[in-house]
This record gives sequence, C-alpha cells and structure tokens, in this order.
Amino acid sequence: DAGITQSPRYKITETGRQVTLMCHQTWSHSYMFWYRQDLGHGLRLIYYSAAADITDKGEVPDGYVVSRSKTENFPLTLESATRSQTSVYFCASSESNQRSYEQYFGPGTRLTVT
Amino acid sequence: GQSLEQPSEVTAVEGAIVQINCTYQTSGFYGLSWYQQHDGGAPTFLSYNALDGLEETGRFSSFLSRSDSYGYLLLQELQMKDSASYFCAVDRSGAGSYQLTFGKGTKLSVIP
Repeated sequence: DAGITQSPRYKITETGRQVTLMCHQTWSHSYMFWYRQDLGHGLRLIYYSAAADITDKGEVPDGYVVSRSKTENFPLTLESATRSQTSVYFCASSESNQRSYEQYFGPGTRLTVT
Repeated sequence: GQSLEQPSEVTAVEGAIVQINCTYQTSGFYGLSWYQQHDGGAPTFLSYNALDGLEETGRFSSFLSRSDSYGYLLLQELQMKDSASYFCAVDRSGAGSYQLTFGKGTKLSVIP
C-alpha cells in the first residue's frame, strides 16, 4: 500500500519552462491539496480539490494550474516557471470534509528553477 | 484573513517537558491541528482540538482555549527523535472551505 506518492522527487528546470509535478494516492480520499514550503513561510496552500473535476484556489495560486480528472491523481503544473517558484512542493490528501484537519502528506518534490 | 504565531525555535533537554505555543487570529475557526516534520521529511499529523481543553496522545498533549485564541503542544519525556519542526494549523472546514492554514513552525532541538 503506497499511500500517497509524488514524482519526481527532485527537479531542476529553467525559467520559462513548463513543468508538471505528479501526485497519486491509493486511499480514494476525496480531498487533495498542493502546498509549497519555503523557509520563513511554513506551508502555504496553492490549490485544493474536493473531488474529481472540482478544484479551487488556495492562498498562492498564481502561476500554477491543477486538474483532477481521476480521484487518485492531482497533478500541479507550473505554466512558465520562475525562480520564485523554487520550493519544496507537498501534495496531501484527506478522507473527508469532516476530517480535513487530518491530512496525509506525500514525500515532497524539491523543485529548483534556474 | 488569518494569522498564526508560534516561536521559531525552542531548545529542551532530553527527558524534560516542553510546551510550544500557538496564538491565532482568524475569521472562522473550527479547530487547531498540530503537525510534526523532521528535516527532509513530510509533515505528519499529531493531534486536533475542536473543543477547549486538553487532548492527550501518549507523550504528546494538545490544548486549546477558544476564548484566548490560544493553543499549545506539550511534549513530555523528550527523546532525541522529537527534534523536528512543529506546526500548528487552523481548520476552517466547517466554513465550506476545506483548508488548513499553517503557522510558520517551531524548530525543536532536543539536547542530551
């Protein structure tokens, strides 16, 4: 039982390139989330999804796009990467609205934009 | 909007007790969560308080006072493996938003 996985774990890309970070969970959790973590900022929510085909913006959505065609997958795309998007990205899931306070995090993707 | 304040760093001795405080200002509040994150690792859920009072889970306890907009995480019998960052997070799910807002984290260093 893999739980929640992210790929790639490490990525270096150039400014202006499009890059997609993948997230897959095996629990059939309804809710999925994307966070970025930067020194001095803690975890900040980028986008979240309540179910397949339902997504909404979080605190810092600019420059990012998400989709959720299947319950188990929640990819995050940086349309045109900028240096300010260098960060560690975490995907998370939770079982239900009632338990959204308990989120299960993937191992993270460390993204460097040069 | 919402903001959470917690100390950036705390140092404590192995075997001792440490308290990590969290104060919050938020519009809409349903509960306070705590997460642990070791260096290079993913955050993991520790506890949740929806009601005022103390919740105990083994060596870890969490407290909430809604009237004071304040909570804390209490770690007892500290072990070296407790060295990690601890985040409090406000839960606003009942407001129709399934979001957690995290504090910036407290880095706990446990020394021998």
